[in-house]
Amino acid sequence: GESVGLHLPTLSVQEGDNSIINCAYSNSASDYFIWYKQESGKGPQFIIDIRSNMDKRQGQRVTVLLNKTVKHLSLQIAATQPGDSAVYFCAAPPGGGADGLTFGKGTHLIIQP
Amino acid sequence: DSGVTQTPKHLITATGQRVTLRCSPRSGDLSVYWYQQSLDQGLQFLIHYYNGEERAKGNILERFSAQQFPDLHSELNLSSLELGDSALYFCASSVDGSYNEQFFGPGTRLTVL
Repeated sequence: GESVGLHLPTLSVQEGDNSIINCAYSNSASDYFIWYKQESGKGPQFIIDIRSNMDKRQGQRVTVLLNKTVKHLSLQIAATQPGDSAVYFCAAPPGGGADGLTFGKGTHLIIQP
Repeated sequence: DSGVTQTPKHLITATGQRVTLRCSPRSGDLSVYWYQQSLDQGLQFLIHYYNGEERAKGNILERFSAQQFPDLHSELNLSSLELGDSALYFCASSVDGSYNEQFFGPGTRLTVL
């Protein structure tokens, strides 16, 4: 099955800078990936998704890049704001006919004033 | 607000007891997923129901069970509770059972003493 993992448990950035959160996955057949944001005391909130037929997808201040060659995806947040402080998870279907989503451990994004 | 509701918000109980967690999906969503989030295991998929029928099981213990009712709300039943069952339990809903974004509820924090 699929496993996804984030590279850094914590990322600290200055307010206004761009943030890049990375994620690696194991199953080369994975065809769908999602980024979630979880603020303290809340459930995960959908940010953006990408299917494997795309290399890049943009949302509002966020961009997801998918590199299938090295099985890596990243979430870029432009002009990071205090409200971006949260734990970010990448997730993917487990593959092999299994169900649900497999989540990485999460990266805690800390915004420095 | 994702549109997914969960009750109760907090639950404190003793080992050996049984509890029921409730989830109402977003209006129109047919799928309900249950996840457990703990510090050591992260977010783990437990079980998926689609339109009243069990679709798939993940890492769900035999002491745990779930059901989805005709009005599409779902309940997760946890029995013979152990200290290690203390965790956040989230439900998520999606339009159907395919690869679509899942919308998460605010979670139920279960504490087993």
